[in-house]
Formats: sequence, C-alpha cells, structure tokens
Amino acid sequence: EVQVLESGGGLVQPGGSLRVSCAASGLTFSSFGMSWVRQAPGKGLEWVSTISATGDSTYYSDSVKGRFTLSRDNSKKTVYLQMNSLRAEDTAVYYCAKGLYYMDVWGQGTTVTVSS
Amino acid sequence: EIVMTQSPATLSVSPGERATLSCRASQSVSSYLAWYQQKPGQAPRLLIYGAATRATGIPARFSGSGSGTEFTLTISSLQSEDFAVYYCQQYNNWPPITFGQGTRLEIK
Repeated sequence: EVQVLESGGGLVQPGGSLRVSCAASGLTFSSFGMSWVRQAPGKGLEWVSTISATGDSTYYSDSVKGRFTLSRDNSKKTVYLQMNSLRAEDTAVYYCAKGLYYMDVWGQGTTVTVSS
Repeated sequence: EIVMTQSPATLSVSPGERATLSCRASQSVSSYLAWYQQKPGQAPRLLIYGAATRATGIPARFSGSGSGTEFTLTISSLQSEDFAVYYCQQYNNWPPITFGQGTRLEIK
C-alpha cells in the first residue's frame, strides 16, 4: 500500500522558518512527482508546490514563491518543504501528496500555525 | 491563471437520489480535470482524473463528464458516506494548479 506521512509542523512566529517533511512508502519513489497542498482553517484547497520525480524541476504558487523551497531525497523517499519568512496567512494544514498533475495519494497533513 | 468555479456552493440531496455537481473553468482545460472528495477532519481523496476516469477503488456510482470548460461530477445513488465536500482541480495549464472553491453535499 502506498502511503505518505507528513511531519514537522508546529507553531512559529511571523518571519520565522520551519521545515516540514513527507516520507513515502510502498512505491518506487524516484518515479513520481510529489506535491504540497494546503488548507487554511475553514477554507478550500490551495496548491503550494510540486517537484518532479528527479528533483530537477520545482514549481511554486505565487503566494509562496521566493519564500518556500521544495526538495527531495530519493534515497530516503522523502520530500522537504522549507518555509521561510512565514506569515500569518501561511497558517494551514499542509498535505503532502503523490502526483505531478493530479494527486492520487494524500497524507493526513501537518498543521503549521504562524502566530506571535 | 485558470479560475475554477464550482456550483452550487451547497447541495442538499436525499440518500438514494442522484447528485450533480458542476465545475467551470475560465478557459479550456481540455480533459485535464480531477475531482476530490473531502470529509471533515480527513485528507482529500482522488475520485476522478482525466475528467472521466475513476481512480482506483472508487465506486461506479461516481462518474465524471465534460471537456473544455464545463464539467460534471455525478453520484448516481447517494450513500450516507458520500456526504462531504467535493473539489475540482485543473492541471492543463500549470503552474499554478488550481482548485475550485468546493461544493458541500449535505443530507436533505
């Protein structure tokens, strides 16, 4: 069974940094793109970032471009979302999902709260 | 950026009846359209991709149709576990990948 598991969420002050991780199992990890999608409290889904299978290509929403960096370690079957210069509006549940275009396996999410 | 608009915002349907959810794109996305279901406190689940292809394990009562700018998700006979929020998502012209704002399907 393919599974993804996020970790690393928490409370951070505005302007701070946080790195969330996503570990995958049950798949040939290096063959698949991976994405992050977030959901602010009571709101809908917002795409954040996507990385290609090899890690050579990364894509970001305008709302996080220049602040967030997505990377992957295929030997560890893990993707990392480094979030810098965090703002209150980045508060959300962050979901990791398998997929480059559409997302067919989702984790349960990790909560990031940006507040002083 | 392609804007996805879902209607209605809330749909009230009785169990056993048919539900029809709509999704409109601000420009053509061909058939690069996915549908997701999300229940409270849970992650989204992929239902449909390619506008009409059911994902693995999705019951046959879920069907998708449409192309270009107009899409429909139909649930033929609603079961209690189908009451949830449904999102459409385009992946034709990205980045960015964009989602609709969601349709809440509630019990009538």
